[in-house]
Amino acid sequence: QSVLTQPPSVSGAPGQRVTISCTGSSSNIGADYDVHWYQQLPGTAPKLLIYGNSNRPSGVPDRFSGSKSGTSASLAITGLQAEDGADYYCQSYDSSLSGLVFGGGTKLTVL
Amino acid sequence: QVQLVDSGGGLVKPGGSLRLSCAASGFTFSDYYMSWIRQAPGKGLEWVSYISSSGTTIYYAVSVKGRFTISRDNAKNSLYLQMNSLRAEDTAVYYCARYNYDILTGYWYFDYWGQGTLVTVSS
Repeated sequence: QSVLTQPPSVSGAPGQRVTISCTGSSSNIGADYDVHWYQQLPGTAPKLLIYGNSNRPSGVPDRFSGSKSGTSASLAITGLQAEDGADYYCQSYDSSLSGLVFGGGTKLTVL
Repeated sequence: QVQLVDSGGGLVKPGGSLRLSCAASGFTFSDYYMSWIRQAPGKGLEWVSYISSSGTTIYYAVSVKGRFTISRDNAKNSLYLQMNSLRAEDTAVYYCARYNYDILTGYWYFDYWGQGTLVTVSS
């Protein structure tokens, strides 16, 4: 059971918009710790997608955006493309565990 | 270009030991914190440990504390994970990752990852 809760799967047709939620608690996201997002394409290592809640590293398309409010964060992907099919993970810090934590991951299927 | 190459994985019996290595290149290794993150087969990511740039500050996940030891050799641009008293639940792909502190924003995040090395604990 992950400290950060993500839906196991989401799906969307090409061109559509999807969102992936990451729900935490008062000891992590709610305590104003930052949230980062990683994309893991099949058979590869994770890659940084969003850092500091809403910032994109260079090279990441602006179709990807992040937000945070209260005890939750969200990743939005607009203009869905086939190559966006991957697993997505949120990550933050938890003060109760005194450690870094990941969400359970969300598998995005592009229909 | 930043490159992290993980190695040292393999098959080990329960109770056994293994040492993982991560060779870094393309950046000034001694300036950065580093970390190990693992992923059990078909499962999500789990943070294992991180170490400061000088090696003086170290943190572990509860699940590995007392059994795993992270270390680094800045002269060799290398990160290590000594794993002792291995259990079946330690079976996973282990990734080393650069734990970057963005001085402009104050954020900490994993900005580069190795390709991973598979550790299988089984009799």
